[in-house]
Amino acid sequence: GQNIDQPTEMTATEGAIVQINCTYQTSGFNGLFWYQQHAGEAPTFLSYNVLDGLEEKGRFSSFLSRSKGYSYLLLKELQMKDSASYLCAVNKDNYGQNFVFGPGTRLSVLP
Amino acid sequence: EPEVTQTPSHQVTQMGQEVILRCVPISNHLYFYWYRQILGQKVEFLVSFYNNEISEKSEIFDDQFSVERPDGSNFTLKIRSTKLEDSAMYFCASKTASGSYEQYFGPGTRLTVT
Repeated sequence: GQNIDQPTEMTATEGAIVQINCTYQTSGFNGLFWYQQHAGEAPTFLSYNVLDGLEEKGRFSSFLSRSKGYSYLLLKELQMKDSASYLCAVNKDNYGQNFVFGPGTRLSVLP
Repeated sequence: EPEVTQTPSHQVTQMGQEVILRCVPISNHLYFYWYRQILGQKVEFLVSFYNNEISEKSEIFDDQFSVERPDGSNFTLKIRSTKLEDSAMYFCASKTASGSYEQYFGPGTRLTVT
């Protein structure tokens, strides 16, 4: 079956750094996505990794290790507005587009 | 800034009724998607659509579901005979050419089946 695991909840302090981990076991792999979702809103795209290594985009970075089935999202200089759920998703179709989402990690940023 | 729009924002229907959820993707986008999210649960992929046909669909997307691009702007999801368990938020998303990976999500339609 398809399985993506993330911690359910995390708490961090404004200005700090937080790392949200994601492990996956899927029948295929054609890229891993991170999305941010505020309560009651649609997901918004944060990052995409298809090759091993780190992708940096401003305060957000994402890392992928395909051999370990592992990714993390790193958020630096946390702000209150970063309080949201962070969703890890895998395109499990090697040639097309068929996505499996993790349960999401709810991050609370405290003052 | 261009955005994906969805109508209605909230749809209430009785079990067994047909519903059509509407989406207007970003105008130069070529790939279209439907997702659903049951309250408090994870986002689930339903279907991807390209070049006027379904390219992939999940196990959830059974014969009760269909998608259509009736004109150059709309992209619809039809549920033929709704069940209580179809109650969820339905998100439409679109993206541009095949080399791009960023999907833009619409605000969603909350479907309540009573």
